[in-house]
Amino acid sequence: DAKTTQPPSMDCAEGRAANLPCNHSTISGNEYVYWYRQIHSQGPQYIIHGLKNNETNEMASLIITEDRKSSTLILPHATLRDTAVYYCIVRVGDYGQNFVFGPGTRLSVLP
Amino acid sequence: DAGVTQSPTHLIKTRGQQVTLRCSPKSGHDTVSWYQQALGQGPQFIFQYYEEEERQRGNFPDRFSGHQFPNYSSELNVNALLLGDSALYLCASSLVVAGELFFGEGSRLTVL
Repeated sequence: DAKTTQPPSMDCAEGRAANLPCNHSTISGNEYVYWYRQIHSQGPQYIIHGLKNNETNEMASLIITEDRKSSTLILPHATLRDTAVYYCIVRVGDYGQNFVFGPGTRLSVLP
Repeated sequence: DAGVTQSPTHLIKTRGQQVTLRCSPKSGHDTVSWYQQALGQGPQFIFQYYEEEERQRGNFPDRFSGHQFPNYSSELNVNALLLGDSALYLCASSLVVAGELFFGEGSRLTVL
């Protein structure tokens, strides 16, 4: 089972910031939080990942709470092309590769 | 630089048949993982290959098997196909064992 919980769906107006929450209350100290997204019928696309500190790249920002029990993915200026299913994943496994995907959040960016 | 490539993109099989799906990892990547994604669900981990050996396996029966070749490419084999095997099969590769995954576009299998 996935170690994260996300809302099943969210809407966001085009041009506004999209804030996608994720709860991972059982996360271990050495486990990273990863975010991927999947546009219809395509392979998942890596967005960002972090351990403790907030992270930012050209696609998004990741805010992790101090107790690491939850995080928020921020798309600063959502466009219609950001409409996708967003997956929050806590990496598990001895080799760190067994990503466990939950059902994700379906983000709809509305014009 | 080519990303992860998978073939075929679509295929149709009948119950009881066998299928082989192929994956070429991103250049320089040495680890390949396979996922099954049923319609409307998140991807489910099947297994991972590193140094030509299966390193981890998810909750899938022995009908699902794989192989990794010296050039790091990989195959997924499914025997005795069931209707429930209809899904998008995703291959993902990474640079090192504990790196982020890069996914291919998948092979969509339909079992009739």
